[in-house]
Order: sequence, then C-alpha cells, then structure tokens
Amino acid sequence: GAVVSQHPSRVICKSGTSVKIECRSLDFQATTMFWYRQFPKQSLMLMATSNEGSKATYEQGVEKDKFLINHASLTLSTLTVTSAHPEDSSFYICSARDLTGYTQYFGPGTRLTVL
Amino acid sequence: GQNIDQPTEMTATEGAIVQINCTYQTSGFNGLFWYQQHAGEAPTFLSYNVLDGLEEKGRFSSFLSRSKGYSYLLLKELQMKDSASYLCAVMDSNYQLIWGAGTKLIIKP
Repeated sequence: GAVVSQHPSRVICKSGTSVKIECRSLDFQATTMFWYRQFPKQSLMLMATSNEGSKATYEQGVEKDKFLINHASLTLSTLTVTSAHPEDSSFYICSARDLTGYTQYFGPGTRLTVL
Repeated sequence: GQNIDQPTEMTATEGAIVQINCTYQTSGFNGLFWYQQHAGEAPTFLSYNVLDGLEEKGRFSSFLSRSKGYSYLLLKELQMKDSASYLCAVMDSNYQLIWGAGTKLIIKP
C-alpha cells in the first residue's frame, strides 16, 4: 500500500520550454501533496504544499508563477516548470499524505535537465 | 527557530550495528520520522515515532525521547545495501515536516 507514482522519471528539455510533472497516489486518497527539489548532494527542499481543490502554498523564495501546481483530484497533482532555464535542472520529488495519517510517501522523483 | 541536527556522515562495517542520532528543537511536536534515501532515488519511509520508547521493525529500530528532543535510528546486521542517506524529520505543531540534512552512511566490507 501507499504507492506514489511520478511521471516522467527523466526529462531533457530546451531552455525556455515548459515541463509538466505528474504525481499520482495509486492506492490511497491524498488530501495533501508536497513538491520538493533536491540538488546533488544537498538536502530535500520543500517547494510547495498543495491541498486538493485549493491553491498551493509556496515556500519562501519559490516563484509561484514559474512553478505552477495543480491538485485537481485526491489522487493527482501536477507541477509545471514554466520557461525552464538551466538553473532549474534538478531532481523534483513529490510526496503524498493520506486522509488518516501523518506519513508522507514519496514518488520516485523526476530528474529534469534543461539545456 | 526550528532545528534538526544529525551527523553528516558515518562509516560502519558490514555485519555490525550503527546508531544514527537526531536532536531537534521545533515549535510543537507531532511525531518524528526516519527515511532512507539511496543516491539518485527518492526517500522511502522507515519509521514514525510519536510516543517515547523504542519501535522495532526487523533490522531497524527507532527510539524517541520527547523530553530530551532526541531520537536515534539503530541498524543491526548491516548489509552493503544499507549504504544510503538517512533523513530525520519532525512534524511541528502546524503538521509541517522539518527536515534534517541527512546522515550519509557508508558501509565497508
């Protein structure tokens, strides 16, 4: 149980294009999903918290117009990196928390490379 | 401010036991989590402690003392595949996870 999928697992794109990453909870309903970014050999950094049906809450320093988050259902959240630049290249990881517990279950991550 | 402290790196021998400590200062406490993260992969959940004491799960055990703001993760019968980073995270009074920087565990044959 508590499986979270993420798609795509790896993406390479040109500078200036937009990339959408999907995060799905496969066997549970996630009222809250989280988006993290992790640079090589660094800690997880929380980017935003998204609750189903409401606007995401962004952490300080994260541009909400650049990182668009949509949490349209209890099993799906998407992160769109708009007008990507090489400095956005990173490992993006989502996690989901179910209705009853506190534990966050992580997706496998998406490695984004912007050329 | 909120703070989670854990050692940056530890080295242990295959077959041995290692204890990874975590101390925390947070605004409120709703539980402490340990996650394992292999290089290049996402974290996987190991344990959740909300009451004082030891929780055992196979080769891994996690201990919590709320009065001391302290936890440890104990790994027994170490295997090479246990080489990973171990992340300590505390849920504060707002149910937000505060993450430690992680402890990189290196297992030597």
